[in-house]
Amino acid sequence: EIVMTQSPATLSVSPGEGAALSCRASQSAGSNLAWYQQKPGQAPRLLIYGASIRATGIPARFSGSGSGTEFTLTISILQSEDFAVYYCQQYDNWPITFGQGTRLEIK
Amino acid sequence: EVQLVESGGGLVQPGRSLRLSCAASGFTFDDYAMHWVRHAPGKGLEWVSGISWNSGSTGYADSVKGRFTISRDNAKNSLFLQMNSLRAEDTALYYCTKGIRAVALDSYFDYWGQGTLVTVSS
Repeated sequence: EIVMTQSPATLSVSPGEGAALSCRASQSAGSNLAWYQQKPGQAPRLLIYGASIRATGIPARFSGSGSGTEFTLTISILQSEDFAVYYCQQYDNWPITFGQGTRLEIK
Repeated sequence: EVQLVESGGGLVQPGRSLRLSCAASGFTFDDYAMHWVRHAPGKGLEWVSGISWNSGSTGYADSVKGRFTISRDNAKNSLFLQMNSLRAEDTALYYCTKGIRAVALDSYFDYWGQGTLVTVSS
């Protein structure tokens, strides 16, 4: 099983600034990596798949990069609605596994 | 518009059973594999189980293997999860999710339901 480790657990950033969230895989996941955003009381929303492809309707300020074992979700200019929990997920190897999440909070 | 609506959650005693359902609409249900993902209180997301478009392939997390059974009824655009021998650690919000392939179960999830809450407690 591929273990996904996200860092930091909590990131405090001011609106208007940028943020970089990290996700590390215990073994190569190729480019089979997705990112999700989850707000309180809501289901997760797909942001990125294929490590760097934005899902339909996702603003351009969200970008994904990386391959193999190191991945990054970058949010270029934080809006108030971006403060949420973010999860990475690998789908390269069975079973599908998620990271523990990074909470992005307002500084 | 894609909609996934879960039902069947509730409070159940340890060792008992529960059956979750998911009603799908807004897409061709039998073109895609479907999955269950859960979110336990204070923890991260955990993939639970997946089923291919024609039920030919199924997969389970080790934590539920032998206790949970996934199934689907394409005629009724419905997905199910039969949960037996429930444990306290199965307490979670269970999401019905849509995969992006018909057969392969290794997938990301492009649509999620709102979830149904399962609480296992005496």
